Amino acid sequence: NAGVTQTPKFRILKIGQSMTLQCTQDMNHNYMYWYRQDPGMGLKLIYYSVGAGITDKGEVPNGYNVSRSTTEDFPLRLELAAPSQTSVYFCASSPSSSYNEQFFGPGTRLTVL
Amino acid sequence: AQSVTQLDSQVPVFEEAPVELRCNYSSSVSVYLFWYVQYPNQGLQLLLKYLSGSTLVESINGFEAEFNKSQTSFHLRKPSVHISDTAEYFCAVTSPQGGKLIFGQGTELSVKP
Repeated sequence: NAGVTQTPKFRILKIGQSMTLQCTQDMNHNYMYWYRQDPGMGLKLIYYSVGAGITDKGEVPNGYNVSRSTTEDFPLRLELAAPSQTSVYFCASSPSSSYNEQFFGPGTRLTVL
Repeated sequence: AQSVTQLDSQVPVFEEAPVELRCNYSSSVSVYLFWYVQYPNQGLQLLLKYLSGSTLVESINGFEAEFNKSQTSFHLRKPSVHISDTAEYFCAVTSPQGGKLIFGQGTELSVKP
């Protein structure tokens, strides 16, 4: 199993550009998550999904969109990039229920200039 | 609402010394507690978790954490650290009723020879 994979690893965007961060998991997990990590701030939840076709906002959803058409994939879309979206983005997945651990991808480091 | 506070942002220690990383949580309901570790340039990995039962939980690499309900704490300890333990450590909380995983700000453990 590859676990959770994310592409790209690094990206530099100009202000106003758009991009999609890809996330795929091969563990057949129902739940998937997108977090952003900023220095000294821990991880903040952007969006999450409890199954294909179901998504919901997390703590910091503004400026982002998601979709979940399959169990495996959970892409994160940035429509109009802003410098405040410079961050490291992590995708994670877990089986149902809160006692299960979340499995994290290796992250995407995004810089918006 | 739940919250997590990690009391130290950075903890420098010498190799083979003991270490304690402090975590306090706030919650009006029962909790599940987790410690995750993030090695440089990687995603987060589960280190250990408390769900119920014995308040002392251990990881396979010598870390342990004790759930203290009266103190609302879940401090992480290791009696003798190695260079390879250098990483960032995150405490996290959720509830058995479901809900999101809330992360602390992280503690950077730096083990020096």
